Amino acid sequence: GENVEQHPSTLSVQEGDSAVIKCTYSDSASNYFPWYKQELGKRPQLIIDIRSNVGEKKDQRIAVTLNKTAKHFSLHITETQPEDSAVYFCAASRRGTSYGKLTFGQGTILTVHP
Amino acid sequence: DTGVSQNPRHKITKRGQNVTFRCDPISEHNRLYWYRQTLGQGPEFLTYFQNEAQLEKSRLLSDRFSAERPKGSFSTLEIQRTEQGDSAMYLCASSLARQGGEKLFFGSGTQLSVL
Repeated sequence: GENVEQHPSTLSVQEGDSAVIKCTYSDSASNYFPWYKQELGKRPQLIIDIRSNVGEKKDQRIAVTLNKTAKHFSLHITETQPEDSAVYFCAASRRGTSYGKLTFGQGTILTVHP
Repeated sequence: DTGVSQNPRHKITKRGQNVTFRCDPISEHNRLYWYRQTLGQGPEFLTYFQNEAQLEKSRLLSDRFSAERPKGSFSTLEIQRTEQGDSAMYLCASSLARQGGEKLFFGSGTQLSVL
């Protein structure tokens, strides 16, 4: 089955800095890669996703890049703000089953210091 | 609130007891998922429904676990003869299946503690 590894497990940055979280996946058939943000005690929420036919996708301060050959994808947050502090999860799923059947990474605790 | 609703929010039970959780998805969503999340880990897929049909179950879902989605609306997850290892947050999510990806809308979860 799919295995998703996520690094780092914790990330601390100053407000205004950029943050990068990286994930690798094992199943070459995976073709959908969402990122979820989970604030303390709250539900996970989708912040951005990318399909395998796209190398990069951007939404305001958030961007995701995908390298299919190397089987890794990354989340980039620019101009970080204290409200970006949360746990971020990468995930992967494959065609042939439901795209909602996700394998999640272990999560990255992002702390943005004012 | 028109999001995904889960009840109860918290459940404390003794080992060996049965528990049942309920999930009410977003009304127009045809897919419903159950995930389990333990502290410090990402959610793990358990099972999913398309309308009323249960299409896939994870190997994590032992025979003590059963899920239903009668009439393709709300869903229940039952755990029989609970064990301490069942303690976790049980998350429900719903979606509208589409080509090329699927945005899951999660509920706030049911936190299960087995004593």
